[in-house]
Amino acid sequence: DGGITQSPKYLFRKEGQNVTLSCEQNLNHDAMYWYRQDPGQGLRLIYYSQIVNDFQKGDIAEGYSVSREKKESFPLTVTSAQKNPTAFYLCASSAYSGGASDTQYFGPGTRLTVL
Amino acid sequence: GENVEQHPSTLSVQEGDSAVIKCTYSDSASNYFPWYKQELGKGPQLIIDIRSNVGEKKDQRIAVTLNKTAKHFSLHITETQPEDSAVYFCAASRRGYSSASKIIFGSGTRLSIRP
Repeated sequence: DGGITQSPKYLFRKEGQNVTLSCEQNLNHDAMYWYRQDPGQGLRLIYYSQIVNDFQKGDIAEGYSVSREKKESFPLTVTSAQKNPTAFYLCASSAYSGGASDTQYFGPGTRLTVL
Repeated sequence: GENVEQHPSTLSVQEGDSAVIKCTYSDSASNYFPWYKQELGKGPQLIIDIRSNVGEKKDQRIAVTLNKTAKHFSLHITETQPEDSAVYFCAASRRGYSSASKIIFGSGTRLSIRP
């Protein structure tokens, strides 16, 4: 998992509650990403950030929000507007210099279950 | 939009035999093709990657081949071992473009090694 940590590993949420997933990296990477993975499925991009204080929506951003106040941190909030939030959430980071994103490296993931 | 198709979705091989996973991509501007291995409950780990100016790359028992004309690339694992059992994802992206280099993932192949 190489320098990317996600917490908690397991998270349970009641319907109607917001919850925040943590992602921290000490790789000095500029770019960070959040993906959602459903059972037996591939990875779908939620949000990404190329630099501090800037982020863009991915393919499935509805019901999610992010912030990028520090280079090493990219927390993801799953809001009550997300209709089906139960999934495995993966954070990734990559070097980003001169407009070219480098290889993405993933954290260990957080499994979110809505009760 | 861009798409990466991956086959087969499941693959079972006898220990010691070879395994081949194939992917096709739609974006002709893709120039970077990483492969990830994901063990149960963990984040994907990069195992090998190839750039569009190379036709083949090997790393011990793992090799990747790329056919740019046909927009195909494949992962080859020789002398398979029980620890090779995992889900494998192919991916395609553009490196070196000014816009964020989003990686498009295949849907994954669940590889099982029979003892």
